[in-house]
Amino acid sequence: EDKVVQSPLSLVVHEGDTVTLNCSYEVTNFRSLLWYKQEKKAPTFLFMLTSSGIEKKSGRLSSILDKKELFSILNITATQTGDSAVYLCAVMGAQKLVFGQGTRLTINP
Amino acid sequence: DGGITQSPKYLFRKEGQNVTLSCEQNLNHDAMYWYRQDPGQGLRLIYYSQIVNDFQKGDIAEGYSVSREKKESFPLTVTSAQKNPTAFYLCASSIWTRHNEQFFGPGTRLTVL
Repeated sequence: EDKVVQSPLSLVVHEGDTVTLNCSYEVTNFRSLLWYKQEKKAPTFLFMLTSSGIEKKSGRLSSILDKKELFSILNITATQTGDSAVYLCAVMGAQKLVFGQGTRLTINP
Repeated sequence: DGGITQSPKYLFRKEGQNVTLSCEQNLNHDAMYWYRQDPGQGLRLIYYSQIVNDFQKGDIAEGYSVSREKKESFPLTVTSAQKNPTAFYLCASSIWTRHNEQFFGPGTRLTVL
């Protein structure tokens, strides 16, 4: 059975800290790994990763994929209160997205 | 503006009642999806549809039904057979050949009283 596991499930840090969110997967016919940010309603797209070792970067957020070890990390540097959200990892297999449980990130001022 | 709309935003129903959640998109996307989200469990796929008049069961289809009579619309009915329907329901759409790029609607929170 396809599986995506995120850790930690919950994380509370202070503004300005750097955080690393983890996503490991076992999905047949892997095609891509995606990160989403969800603030109370619709998830919004952050990154799509298809190749190992190539870092994707957007402002203070970055992500990388390791297809040999079957995991990805999402880094957020210099965190701000607006980064508080649930971060979802999803892996596209043959025909569908398989989602992890999400990591709830809380940034305290 | 192009996008996906879901209605209502909040829905309350009594046990034993069927209820239909609306999902409409004007992105001209072929594929549409319904997910259920429970606390601590991420999103789970209920049904998806690649084209009009065709749809497939996802991982947790029991107690749900869908129709796809128009490209723009993919309503989800939560039937009385669904044992634990209280959840957050998200609709998404994509170009079928790029179904890893799904766009999500704002969601409907269903509460069974």
